[in-house]
Amino acid sequence: KAGVTQTPRYLIKTRGQQVTLSCSPISGHRSVSWYQQTPGQGLQFLFEYFSETQRNKGNFPGRFSGRQFSNSRSEMNVSTLELGDSALYLCASSLRGQVETQYFGPGTRLLVL
Amino acid sequence: AQKVTQAQTEISVVEKEDVTLDCVYETRDTTYYLFWYKQPPSGELVFLIRRNSFDEQNEISGRYSWNFQKSTSSFNFTITASQVVDSAVYFCALKSAGAQKLVFGQGTRLTINP
Repeated sequence: KAGVTQTPRYLIKTRGQQVTLSCSPISGHRSVSWYQQTPGQGLQFLFEYFSETQRNKGNFPGRFSGRQFSNSRSEMNVSTLELGDSALYLCASSLRGQVETQYFGPGTRLLVL
Repeated sequence: AQKVTQAQTEISVVEKEDVTLDCVYETRDTTYYLFWYKQPPSGELVFLIRRNSFDEQNEISGRYSWNFQKSTSSFNFTITASQVVDSAVYFCALKSAGAQKLVFGQGTRLTINP
C-alpha cells in the first residue's frame, strides 16, 4: 500500500504571498491531520479533516486554512505569508481518526523570504 | 493540559552501545495513547510503536524495546546494540482518546558513531 504523499516537497515563497500544499492519504484512510514543525516550536497540530469537515483545530491564526475533498485528499493554504511560516509541514492520515495511529508523509519544506 | 517532556536534547554513542531515550508525559485523561516516531534527515516521521494507557506491558521488537510505567508517567525507549542507521531524531507523543491532536515532545537527536 502506498504511503502518505505530499506535494510539493520544497517551496520558496516571499512574504505576503500565499501557498497551497497538498496531501494524499493512505488508501482507505479518511482522516487527515496537518502539523507544522519549526526549530523553535517543535511539532504543532494545525487541524484535522474527516469526511470533508474540519473536526479539530490547533492554535494557529486564520491565515492557515485547509480543506478535504471527497476522495480524502487534503490541501492546506497559508495566506499572507510571514517569515515565521518557514517550516516543515507534515501531513498524517489515519483510518477514521480518534484512536488509530497516524502515519506521516515526507513533508513539504516551505521557506519564506 | 497535556505535555510531553524529552529531557535529553542530544545523545551520542558509539555503535553497538545500548541507549535509552527518556519520555515523561502529563495528562489528566484516564484513557490515552503514547507513541514513538523516528525522524531521519529526510524529514518523514516514521511510526515505531503505540501504547494504550490500559496496557502496561513492555514491548520488544528486535533491537527496540519500550518500558511503559504509569506510576511514573514514563514511556522510555531503549535501542540495544545500536547501529549507525539508528541515527535520527526520535519523538515521543501523547494523544487523548477521542481527540485527534498528537502532542509531541521536543525530540531527542540520537547520533550513533561508527
